[in-house]
Amino acid sequence: EVLLVESGGGLGKPGGSLRLSCAASGFTFSSYTMNWIRQAPGKGLEWVASLTNTTTFEYHADSVRGRFTISRDNAKNILYLDMTDLRAEDTAVYYCARGFGDLFPPNWFDPWGQGTLVTVSS
Amino acid sequence: EIEMTQSPATLSVSLGERATLACRASQSVNSNLAWYQQKPGQAPRLLIYGASTRATGIPARFSGSGSGTEFTLTISSLQSEDFAIYYCQQYNHWLTFGGGTKVEIK
Repeated sequence: EVLLVESGGGLGKPGGSLRLSCAASGFTFSSYTMNWIRQAPGKGLEWVASLTNTTTFEYHADSVRGRFTISRDNAKNILYLDMTDLRAEDTAVYYCARGFGDLFPPNWFDPWGQGTLVTVSS
Repeated sequence: EIEMTQSPATLSVSLGERATLACRASQSVNSNLAWYQQKPGQAPRLLIYGASTRATGIPARFSGSGSGTEFTLTISSLQSEDFAIYYCQQYNHWLTFGGGTKVEIK
């Protein structure tokens, strides 16, 4: 069974930092582009970041570029999102998802993890 | 950026009835469109990709159609487990999601 399990969410202060992790299992992690998508409370979905399997290509949304960094450890089957200079508008559930598609960026996401909630507040 | 507009925002449907959800793109996305279902407190689940191809394990009552700028997700006979929010997402030029349609019980 393909499984993605996020962790690392919680309360962060404005200007502070958090590191999210996504542990993958049930598939060859090193063969897929991996992604972060977020959902603010009661809102829709926002594509945040993507990273190809060999880290050749990466993407960060304008809203997080320069503050968040996606990375991965293919030996440990873990995807990361390093979040710095946190803002209130970063408050959201952050989902990790496997990407499908031959090129970059990926085409669609399947499956998604259960998500981890990040709350930015003083 | 390609904008995706979903309508209606909320759709009230009775059990067993057909539900038709619309998704419009601000410019052509060819057939590069996916649909997701999200139930309360759960992660989104892929339903459809390529505008009309059902993902693995998705029941046949879900069907997608359209190309270019106009797309439709149809649920032929609503079951209790289908009440959820549905999102479309284009991948013709980068990736953008629609705002969602909530399907609720009438």
